[in-house]
Amino acid sequence: AQSVSQHNHHVILSEAASLELGCNYSYGGTVNLFWYVQYPGQHLQLLLKYFSGDPLVKGIKGFEAEFIKSKFSFNLRKPSVQWSDTAEYFCAVTRPTGGGNKLTFGTGTQLKVEL
Amino acid sequence: GAVVSQHPSWVICKSGTSVKIECRSLDFQATTMFWYRQFPKQSLMLMATSNEGSKATYEQGVEKDKFLINHASLTLSTLTVTSAHPEDSSFYICSARGGIQGYTFGSGTRLTVV
Repeated sequence: AQSVSQHNHHVILSEAASLELGCNYSYGGTVNLFWYVQYPGQHLQLLLKYFSGDPLVKGIKGFEAEFIKSKFSFNLRKPSVQWSDTAEYFCAVTRPTGGGNKLTFGTGTQLKVEL
Repeated sequence: GAVVSQHPSWVICKSGTSVKIECRSLDFQATTMFWYRQFPKQSLMLMATSNEGSKATYEQGVEKDKFLINHASLTLSTLTVTSAHPEDSSFYICSARGGIQGYTFGSGTRLTVV
């Protein structure tokens, strides 16, 4: 079965530090990849997505992610985090064919940015 | 942008009663709606997929008679938790396929069964 792994469950950083959150998926076919953010008490918001083309995707709020097909990875990065980036981050995958457009989520990474 | 309105945001009910959660797509038509359940500090687990005018497709292990899903119109889907028990306490989230983001999420419903 398709699965999505996020290896960092909790990350604590100081402001201005660089961020990289790992995401790996198990499905070998064509996939669409997403990163979502959930701020405390709010709904999930899309940070960025990859369907095809340039594997380096830029999203909102200075986030970017790189799709490395050979590693089945889609890691999220930000050069300099801010206190307001404190939130939970979810990687998600869909299969454009055969998957029914269902989003499969990773377990999430809780990011805390300290002043 | 696309908005999905989910109500109620939180509900407390007695064990054995039923609770209905509504999700409405406000400015787009949602032909497909997904219902998720999120336990504390865990990921979103897909419960079922509903398509307007047809029966919902439930994920393995989800009781269709307990979690009734109705998607009667292109803008409204409901999830009814029937005969709720404390183990049904969770955070329920709907997601509509549509809008520029592809998937638009509701703000979630915190259900507590006492």
